[in-house]
Amino acid sequence: KNEVEQSPQNLTAQEGEFITINCSYSVGISALHWLQQHPGGGIVSLFMLSSGKKKHGRLIATINIQEKHSSLHITASHPRDSAVYICAVLGLSGAGSYQLTFGKGTKLSVIP
Amino acid sequence: DVKVTQSSRYLVKRTGEKVFLECVQDMDHENMFWYRQDPGLGLRLIYFSYDVKMKEKGDIPEGYSVSREKKERFSLILESASTNQTSMYLCASNEDSSYNEQFFGPGTRLTVL
Repeated sequence: KNEVEQSPQNLTAQEGEFITINCSYSVGISALHWLQQHPGGGIVSLFMLSSGKKKHGRLIATINIQEKHSSLHITASHPRDSAVYICAVLGLSGAGSYQLTFGKGTKLSVIP
Repeated sequence: DVKVTQSSRYLVKRTGEKVFLECVQDMDHENMFWYRQDPGLGLRLIYFSYDVKMKEKGDIPEGYSVSREKKERFSLILESASTNQTSMYLCASNEDSSYNEQFFGPGTRLTVL
C-alpha cells in the first residue's frame, strides 16, 4: 500500500508570500492529484499530474516521478487561498483496481 | 457543471440504529466512491462501485455496506451504527477511466451518540 506524506501539516503565511506544499509517496503511481478543501467540507480538484508541471492562475504543481515527489506552489498568496490542500496518488490496489490514496492534508492560513 | 449531492449535511443517530447515507450524481458517471475523513487520518476509501449493482471494498469496509441500484445513486449503509463511525462522509464520482478527476459531494457529518 502506498504511503503518502505531506509537509508541512500546518502553514501560516502573510498575504503575498510564495507558498510551497510538498508531497512524497512510497510506491510508483499512475497519477497524482492535488485537491483543495475549504471549511465546510467541499473538495475540489486543482490538478492531476503524471509528469512535469502544470499551471493554473497562481497555482503551480510539479511532479518528479523518479524521486516520488510533488510540490504545489502558490504565488502571491491571498487570504482566500486559506484551505486544506490534499495530495492523492492513483495506484493499483491489492484487488487489481486503481484507487486513490490520500495524504493527511496541509492546512494553510494566509493572514492579511 | 457536475453535481454530486448528499442527502444530509448533518446527521445525529444513536448507537445501534441503521443509517442510510445517500449520494446522487447528475453526470452519468460510471464510478462512485464513499470515503470517510477523520482528523489526523485523511480520507480513506470505504467502498466504490464501477457500475450498477457492482461494488468493491476499499480500505475500511468493516461495519459498512453499499447499494447501487441505479447508475446515478450510491448508498452507504451502516447496519448498526457505533460511536467509532462518527465522522465526515464524502461521496465522489468520476467517468469510466480511473485517471479522470473525481468530483466530490459536500459531505455528511455523522455523529453517533
